[in-house]
Amino acid sequence: DAGITQSPRHKVTETGTPVTLRCHQTENHRYMYWYRQDPGHGLRLIHYSYGVKDTDKGEVSDGYSVSRSKTEDFLLTLESATSSQTSVYFCAISVRRRPNSPLHFGNGTRLTVT
Amino acid sequence: DQQVKQNSPSLSVQEGRISILNCDYTNSMFDYFLWYKKYPAEGPTFLISISSIKDKNEDGRFTVFLNKSAKHLSLHIVPSQPGDSAVYFCAASATGNQFYFGTGTSLTVIP
Repeated sequence: DAGITQSPRHKVTETGTPVTLRCHQTENHRYMYWYRQDPGHGLRLIHYSYGVKDTDKGEVSDGYSVSRSKTEDFLLTLESATSSQTSVYFCAISVRRRPNSPLHFGNGTRLTVT
Repeated sequence: DQQVKQNSPSLSVQEGRISILNCDYTNSMFDYFLWYKKYPAEGPTFLISISSIKDKNEDGRFTVFLNKSAKHLSLHIVPSQPGDSAVYFCAASATGNQFYFGTGTSLTVIP
């Protein structure tokens, strides 16, 4: 268990509403990531962070923003949710004790946009 | 464009036999490769990795093979067990920052 908590675990929202997903880690790791998982696409990187206030875009960042004001929390915001953002969202951390380190994932947030 | 591909969406294997899951990649800059296992309603769990300086890495029943010239890696599970039934994702990285995942292969081990 990498000490990652995602909240909420499930969310149903309407098109056009803002949504924020939270990822909380207990071990002060520097690198945190947001992925989405969709059938036929696997896991795709949305945004990642390499420290407080340091974030960068991934392959599918349009329509999403992130914030990291504390080491332990990485927030993903959908400013105006669309049906195409219905997905399962996973947060991940990287321990980075050496140059190549695996990601460790949370249990996901299932988001449905109606 | 998908940089990491898993062309077999599903695989069924008898218990006790070998499971071979395959993965192809296109980016020659990838130097770190991983396999993850995912059960329903859970996050992916790291299984095994290999760096590009090796062509094989073994951990118990799991072995990953890397063929750099073919841009191909495979995961062998021997012997397969019913608890191995899950979706398996391969992933690759060039910088250690961004990881690119395949679309997954659903493995069913038949008792």
